[in-house]
Amino acid sequence: DSGVTQTPKHLITATGQRVTLRCSPRSGDLSVYWYQQSLDQGLQFLIHYYNGEERAKGNILERFSAQQFPDLHSELNLSSLELGDSALYFCASSSGLAGTDTQYFGPGTRLTVL
Amino acid sequence: GENVEQHPSTLSVQEGDSAVIKCTYSDSASNYFPWYKQELGKGPQLIIDIRSNVGEKKDQRIAVTLNKTAKHFSLHITETQPEDSAVYFCAASDGTNAGKSTFGDGTTLTVKP
Repeated sequence: DSGVTQTPKHLITATGQRVTLRCSPRSGDLSVYWYQQSLDQGLQFLIHYYNGEERAKGNILERFSAQQFPDLHSELNLSSLELGDSALYFCASSSGLAGTDTQYFGPGTRLTVL
Repeated sequence: GENVEQHPSTLSVQEGDSAVIKCTYSDSASNYFPWYKQELGKGPQLIIDIRSNVGEKKDQRIAVTLNKTAKHFSLHITETQPEDSAVYFCAASDGTNAGKSTFGDGTTLTVKP
């Protein structure tokens, strides 16, 4: 158990809908990262938050947004969902900002868009 | 941007044999190379990493080697066990942001008892 929790585990929804994925980092970790893992694109970095502030963006679509709250949990919002958004979404946490900090991954949320 | 290629995509070995997974990267600015193991239904877990000022690092049955000149690095697992069966990912980053690593496509390792 990495200490990172994600809810829900599974999510099935329809095209055009909006969903929110939730992540609680390990106790004491200030950084939260979001990743998308799909069969054809591997593991793709979406966005990084540190202590409530956005620090880096990867290949995140404009339909997706995220935030980190004062209690350090984070939410990833996906809107106007398309079939191609079906994937596993992972969050990871680390203690600080260093590029070499160990990232601890949660168990993921499997999103299926029908 | 960085491009990481990982080979092979699948690897099957007998218990007790060694397994080697290789990755190449394109960006000479990359200086941090972690390896992750992902078991079924779980998130990736860091198993070993190496920085560019080191050529080799070992942790029990796992070792990683890095050749900066050739821009490739490899994961070596000795005395494989069935519990080593998983998907293994390599990654490369310039060390400025842990999230901005570029991942390889993964290798599915199967260790047959």
